[in-house]
Amino acid sequence: QSALTQPASVSGSPGQSITISCTGTSSDVGSYNLVSWYQQHPGKAPKLMIYEGSKRPSGVSNRFSGSKSGNTASLTISGLQAEDEADYYCCSYAGSSSVVFGGGTKLTVL
Amino acid sequence: QVQLVESGGGLVKPGGSLRLSCAASGFTFSDYYMSWIRQAPGKGLEWVSYISSSSSYTNYADSVKGRFTISRDNAKNSLYLQMNSLRAEDTAVYYCARGLPPFDIWGQGTMVTVSS
Repeated sequence: QSALTQPASVSGSPGQSITISCTGTSSDVGSYNLVSWYQQHPGKAPKLMIYEGSKRPSGVSNRFSGSKSGNTASLTISGLQAEDEADYYCCSYAGSSSVVFGGGTKLTVL
Repeated sequence: QVQLVESGGGLVKPGGSLRLSCAASGFTFSDYYMSWIRQAPGKGLEWVSYISSSSSYTNYADSVKGRFTISRDNAKNSLYLQMNSLRAEDTAVYYCARGLPPFDIWGQGTMVTVSS
């Protein structure tokens, strides 16, 4: 159950787009279309932003999008806004009925 | 509204036990898998355990297997986590969440501190 690999930090200016990668293996990200992404503001509970790789829950802005290629999933945020500044975590089903999270990425809006 | 509220956290000595509870409201609790996820201070999220809607299936992270037990009472709309043989590295905020993943509803978390 090794954690998925995410960059520790990314940054962007308001209005720009950024992408956060989430690299796993053929046993987790690569085998299942079950990657989800979570946004967490300081002191708050995480919030689901993307599920099944690219689907958005009701109420989540369409500025958030997800994709996957091979063993790497990605979260793209377009039209960056100050309120997007937060920690972001990817998560995948990992086979053998287990679940694995990424280490998290701190997004800074400059 | 749809809500999860955890309780039962606190300070416990190494080797001690604690039972966390999670009260669900605003949805049909018995229809959903439920999970526990934790976050050590300043660290990332770590999946701990999940339980199927009817309690038929459970699974645990290797780090807690044999020490933690997840359970639920659908009549009381409640999820539980019995934590035994606690270690310093179990210190974390513990969240209950709806789902397997994806985790679409989260509680506010309850802090567990393991220290002598």
